[in-house]
Amino acid sequence: ETGVTQTPRHLVMGMTNKKSLKCEQHLGHNAMYWYKQSAKKPLELMFVYSLEERVENNSVPSRFSPECPNSSHLFLHLHTLQPEDSALYLCASSQDWSSTITYEQYFGPGTRLTVT
Amino acid sequence: RKEVEQDPGPFNVPEGATVAFNCTYSNSASQSFFWYRQDCRKEPKLLMSVYSSGNEDGRFTAQLNRASQYISLLIRDSKLSDSATYLCVVKGFYSGAGSYQLTFGKGTKLSVIP
Repeated sequence: ETGVTQTPRHLVMGMTNKKSLKCEQHLGHNAMYWYKQSAKKPLELMFVYSLEERVENNSVPSRFSPECPNSSHLFLHLHTLQPEDSALYLCASSQDWSSTITYEQYFGPGTRLTVT
Repeated sequence: RKEVEQDPGPFNVPEGATVAFNCTYSNSASQSFFWYRQDCRKEPKLLMSVYSSGNEDGRFTAQLNRASQYISLLIRDSKLSDSATYLCVVKGFYSGAGSYQLTFGKGTKLSVIP
């Protein structure tokens, strides 16, 4: 399997549930990202990991908890979400994360999350 | 002021037409600029980077105007397959956050009509 894969593709959860989104990249990249895409809002960068270390955290509520156990896998743990958290969550990877060079982002297909 | 602003469209153009999109950014410390394309219900994919001197890739031409803080994308001889949403992406240092950020615009929707 190539590229960036995400599971599940669709998820419906209640506000009291705990669930996790999974992302896997098969590109040998060192950086991985979580994005949120809501209707009529721009794509929002949530977290950046480089070589399994979190390098950016854009003021995301603590009910979203990322985990990067190795450079190929990235998780987003969800708990006590709100209905306004319903969105498409996209994972991406790139060769590296650098302040001086911007590498092409390769996106996964996303997880469509609905919080009821 | 929005950090990266785009005309949402939709732009409805006939096949063969030339269409141009603009994008403005507010952070003067922005350093890298890109156009991504997102098809309906698909993930974004890089279309092209935008270089200071302007650059061309086939029917697509990108321009950067640092003084006015905008970038543009010109599509010539539009094809049906060009129908998509075009996302303007800017990377820059935000002193408030003390970090580099990748900021996406909301996108401009293009529909090429037969």
